[in-house]
Amino acid sequence: DTGVSQNPRHKITKRGQNVTFRCDPISEHNRLYWYRQTLGQGPEFLTYFQNEAQLEKSRLLSDRFSAERPKGSFSTLEIQRTEQGDSAMYLCALRSGASGNTIYFGEGSWLTVV
Amino acid sequence: SQQGEEDPQALSIQEGENATMNCSYKTSINNLQWYRQNSGRGLVHLILIRSNEREKHSGRLRVTLDTSKKSSSLLITASRAADTASYFCATDGPNFGNEKLTFGTGTRLTIIP
Repeated sequence: DTGVSQNPRHKITKRGQNVTFRCDPISEHNRLYWYRQTLGQGPEFLTYFQNEAQLEKSRLLSDRFSAERPKGSFSTLEIQRTEQGDSAMYLCALRSGASGNTIYFGEGSWLTVV
Repeated sequence: SQQGEEDPQALSIQEGENATMNCSYKTSINNLQWYRQNSGRGLVHLILIRSNEREKHSGRLRVTLDTSKKSSSLLITASRAADTASYFCATDGPNFGNEKLTFGTGTRLTIIP
């Protein structure tokens, strides 16, 4: 149990449709991260929140992507007008551990754009 | 671009043997973390080593860090079929407060029963 729940686990959508993924931390964590992983590659950083504030966004996060974290608890990642290149696994992560340095990942949400 | 590069890209060994994977990175770091990922699943955190540490152990795992060479190694002893997975190293830094992890492309480990 990583303390991070992600939904849906799998999503197949047609090109041009909008999709939304949700990340629910089981307990309070002030820092929450989104990563994207394509087949055969390591995860790539997309964005992170400290509480409800979005503090950093990667260049990978085009204007079709938007992430929110209302109230500093769960977070959503929305992709508008999906493209085939958006097909990937979207991973949510939290910073935790005794020293606050360990990053724990959820099971991820697989997106297939057809 | 990827900060870390794992070597080898793929490794197959017999069950019971030891597996060694290496990771190199380019800039100075605060911490280096190793993760395991089973096919289609999320990443499981294995071990974190700080930049001022040289070696850490956790069960059958041994991680070393050489900051002068900007490299780390992960040793899995007495491998089991369940160790079959991809293994990634991830670094943060170089500045304190640099929040993002930078991953390599991973090593695909196959344990042959």
